[in-house]
Formats: sequence, C-alpha cells, structure tokens
Amino acid sequence: QKEVEQDPGPLSVPEGAIVSLNCTYSNSAFQYFMWYRQYSRKGPELLMYTYSSGNKEDGRFTAQVDKSSKYISLFIRDSQPSDSATYLCAMSGGFNKFYFGSGTKLNVKP
Amino acid sequence: SQTIHQWPATLVQPVGSPLSLECTVEGTSNPNLYWYRQAAGRGLQLLFYSVGIGQISSEVPQNLSASRPQDRQFILSSKKLLLSDSGFYLCAWSDQAGGPIDTQYFGPGTRLTVL
Repeated sequence: QKEVEQDPGPLSVPEGAIVSLNCTYSNSAFQYFMWYRQYSRKGPELLMYTYSSGNKEDGRFTAQVDKSSKYISLFIRDSQPSDSATYLCAMSGGFNKFYFGSGTKLNVKP
Repeated sequence: SQTIHQWPATLVQPVGSPLSLECTVEGTSNPNLYWYRQAAGRGLQLLFYSVGIGQISSEVPQNLSASRPQDRQFILSSKKLLLSDSGFYLCAWSDQAGGPIDTQYFGPGTRLTVL
C-alpha cells in the first residue's frame, strides 16, 4: 500500500467551477500537510501548508485536513484557466522525510 | 528570502556519458537538501537527501550518486548514464528538523533526456 494515494485525473472543469482535489494516506504519524501546484515543465510550487487537522484558507484556495479519516482536500473556488496544472499533495511526520501523491492533473476550460 | 537554483535547465546526453547536475540554495543556512526524479505523468521519487556537508542518504539503489561539498550546494552525478535515467530532476530544500514548519521548496528542475 502506498503511503499517499491521489487520483491522477485528469479533471476537467469549466471556468468558475469549484474544484475539489483529494488525497488519502495511511500513516497516522503525518502532521504536516502540503499542496503543491506544478505547471508543465516547471518545479512544484508550494501552494498551501497546514499543520494537524482543520481548515486553512488563502484567497480562492482552502485546504482541509481530517486526521481521523486520514483524508486531505484542496478546494479551489471560482477556478480560472490559469489554475490548470498538476496538483500534488505531500505530507510529513516532522522528520524531514516527505511523502507525495502522484498528482492530479486539472484542466479549467474557458 | 530563500532561492533555489538548478542548472542546466535542459540536457540531452548519450547513453554511457557522465552526468553532473548542480543545485544551490540562497538565503538559508544548514538546509536539508533533496534530489527527486519525476518520470512523465508520475509522482516524485526521492533519490537522495542530505542533512549536512558530506552526509548523503540514498533512497533508491541506482547508478546515480550525490555529493554535498558545501552547505548550500548539492550535486547529482553519474559515471555512465542509462536510458532509464531520463526524467525531470528536482532539487528541494527544507529547514532542519525541529524548525517552526516542516515543508519543502523546489527548484525549477532539470529535464534530462538520455538517447
């Protein structure tokens, strides 16, 4: 079983839609949760970072962590064509080792 | 602010040739440094990580090696490239364990094609 599971997509939505991206994990020791956005042929860019359970909002982006279900989500409101990218979830137990999902490719159609 | 550089950005090499990719970090001291490989349409595979000068941990046995000659410099090498070494190589850094946050920051990547 992989440490982190993420649906690879692709996910195609119309502009303005609410997007939900999700990851599940198996290691209950994970406490730090990250979402990265990766444009084609570029390095991943840190989008959101959360510690432990709860929600965190930054503009159109909301990250949710449910440690009891070992489930994390990233919501994008009012999605834009510029949001089209691959989104990677990542997590860590605080010992400098990071575990990544395989990424979900998102396409927002104008 | 911190910045991470990688070069070259793109590289095409014949099978059997040597490889040297370089990564440098600015604006932080004593970072943890990482090399990842990302195959097309796949996730990130951790290759090496380093917690200090000369300290390298290998995650995947292969014909690649890594070195950290200076605090903020990380080098990925190979003596003889294989076709399977093609991919997108990413360098990343994080603060040492025990810092206020535990997350990673990535460089722009090097796209390697082995022919």
